[in-house]
Amino acid sequence: GAVVSQHPSRVICKSGTSVKIECRSLDFQATTMFWYRQFPKQSLMLMATSNEGSKATYEQGVEKDKFLINHASLTLSTLTVTSAHPEDSSFYICSILPYQETQYFGPGTRLLVL
Amino acid sequence: GNSVTQMEGPVTLSEEAFLTINCTYTATGYPSLFWYVQYPGEGLQLLLKATKADDKGSNKGFEATYRKETTSFHLEKGSVQVSDSAVYFCALSGPANAGGTSYGKLTFGQGTILTVHP
Repeated sequence: GAVVSQHPSRVICKSGTSVKIECRSLDFQATTMFWYRQFPKQSLMLMATSNEGSKATYEQGVEKDKFLINHASLTLSTLTVTSAHPEDSSFYICSILPYQETQYFGPGTRLLVL
Repeated sequence: GNSVTQMEGPVTLSEEAFLTINCTYTATGYPSLFWYVQYPGEGLQLLLKATKADDKGSNKGFEATYRKETTSFHLEKGSVQVSDSAVYFCALSGPANAGGTSYGKLTFGQGTILTVHP
């Protein structure tokens, strides 16, 4: 069964609005979650590491003020795309790291900004 | 830094054909190596992994051996099925004993699209 869920699975929004994506760990307590971005026919790019109870760690080149991450509990992390623009349209995927090395991935959220 | 290079796709095979998807990596120390599979419309799933040199990961008929001397982790399957059609990603994570902010981070290859025809 699913280990990680994401909501929504698909969202369309207008340029300039903010969108929140939830990532839930269903079976494990996850102190660490990761957020990725996947462009069509390309690989996953790690955006940030979400740490429960502390600030997220962003990869180089990722704007932390644009992609707000909140890891409020051991089972929930949220990614908010602020003031979204068409270039933010992408597939956003989260994963959890419940124990040594093995990550479990969510099904992803397709964001389309018009 | 770490990097993973996969053979370019797409790969198209007939059912029961032999599959090889090449993967080579560059990393410091002794990374763990993974193959993930992404079926149409689904999230990534761990297919197999190997955590040290000469380890062989296997699952669902797929195999890959951690070759440190050639820095490779090629994926193989002796007889593919239509249901194996998916995107396959090779990935590595930092050394198994690493801690700190880099622990658990995955570096992915570009993915290889596999299509198997009946």
